[in-house]
Amino acid sequence: GAVVSQHPSWVICKSGTSVKIECRSLDFQATTMFWYRQFPKQSLMLMATSNEGSKATYEQGVEKDKFLINHASLTLSTLTVTSAHPEDSSFYICSAREAGTGMNEQYFGPGTRLTVT
Amino acid sequence: DAKTTQPPSMDCAEGRAANLPCNHSTISGNEYVYWYRQIHSQGPQYIIHGLKNNETNEMASLIITEDRKSSTLILPHATLRDTAVYYCTYKAAGNKLTFGGGTRVLVKP
Repeated sequence: GAVVSQHPSWVICKSGTSVKIECRSLDFQATTMFWYRQFPKQSLMLMATSNEGSKATYEQGVEKDKFLINHASLTLSTLTVTSAHPEDSSFYICSAREAGTGMNEQYFGPGTRLTVT
Repeated sequence: DAKTTQPPSMDCAEGRAANLPCNHSTISGNEYVYWYRQIHSQGPQYIIHGLKNNETNEMASLIITEDRKSSTLILPHATLRDTAVYYCTYKAAGNKLTFGGGTRVLVKP
């Protein structure tokens, strides 16, 4: 149980275009989902926290107008990288927290590798 | 942010136990310690978590000091597939997991 999927697993896009990444909790409901970014040989950096039905909370230094997050249902959150630039090339990872359990565990997706050319 | 300190890298012989230390001196009394690992180009994989008592599951054992300021993850019989970056963490304000540098573990034959 507690499987999180991401789609696509990798994407290449041209500079200036927008890219949408989906994060789904497959066998549980997630009231909260988190988006992380990871550059090569670095640790995961938390970008934002999204709660179902409300606006996302962004970490300091993360541009909310560039990284649009939508959490419209208890099983789906999307991250849209708008007007992507080569410096946005990174490994994007989502995680989901299961609703209704006392432990509030976070389960991570497999990641999406974005390359902006 | 949750602050943890781990050695940047560690080598381990295949079949031997790997002991991974972590300092988390600022952890509060009711926060769990979580361990994850990340194999190259994959998402983090949950390993184990604990509060005060030592914990064991099919993957590893977790030893937490009595003052809870540090813990040790034990991989009892390391295999080549255990080569990964291991992160110890706990939830910061806002009930969210943040990650430090982790320990890059290389299991050698």
